[in-house]
Amino acid sequence: DVKVTQSSRYLVKRTGEKVFLECVQDMDHENMFWYRQDPGLGLRLIYFSYDVKMKEKGDIPEGYSVSREKKERFSLILESASTNQTSMYLCASSLRTGGSWYYGYTFGSGTRLTVV
Amino acid sequence: KNEVEQSPQNLTAQEGEFITINCSYSVGISALHWLQQHPGGGIVSLFMLSSGKKKHGRLIATINIQEKHSSLHITASHPRDSAVYICAVPGGIQGAQKLVFGQGTRLTINP
Repeated sequence: DVKVTQSSRYLVKRTGEKVFLECVQDMDHENMFWYRQDPGLGLRLIYFSYDVKMKEKGDIPEGYSVSREKKERFSLILESASTNQTSMYLCASSLRTGGSWYYGYTFGSGTRLTVV
Repeated sequence: KNEVEQSPQNLTAQEGEFITINCSYSVGISALHWLQQHPGGGIVSLFMLSSGKKKHGRLIATINIQEKHSSLHITASHPRDSAVYICAVPGGIQGAQKLVFGQGTRLTINP
């Protein structure tokens, strides 16, 4: 069964810590995405990557960075965690398309991060 | 940028009722996603459709590209259908590789 795997389901970190959220997909997808989901705000795109070592900012990249050294792995980094980064983080992947088709768009099960 | 509106935001119904959730968007698209999220859970893709209708079990999704509107129907609803349902569309010409999400419809089915 194809899947997107996020390394942690629940995570508690202290303010100021450097936090790594890992996402791995086994579908050979080119595109990978990081979203955060907050009540009343829905899903918001943080960063996405359409190839190894390539990345683009989404709608809310401030306070985050990403790394994609291998096609199957996309990491989200919180350089210095703050309480306003407490949220549900969701990773997704999809096949690259030439237009606006989204074949195989698949989400991970999410990481609920609490920053105290 | 594509704007997505879902209605209703919250829906409570009795087991067995026929459920309809609506999604409208502002910019023409070639495909639309319907997603499901159970409480505390991850997101599952239910449908991707570009025209007409798709059916999977008790779930039916329809889309009218000209009207920029899609509906998700649930027949013979069951408490296990209780979840948040989200529609998503491509972000528009400049955001072709990104999805724009609706705010979601929280569905509660009472036994």
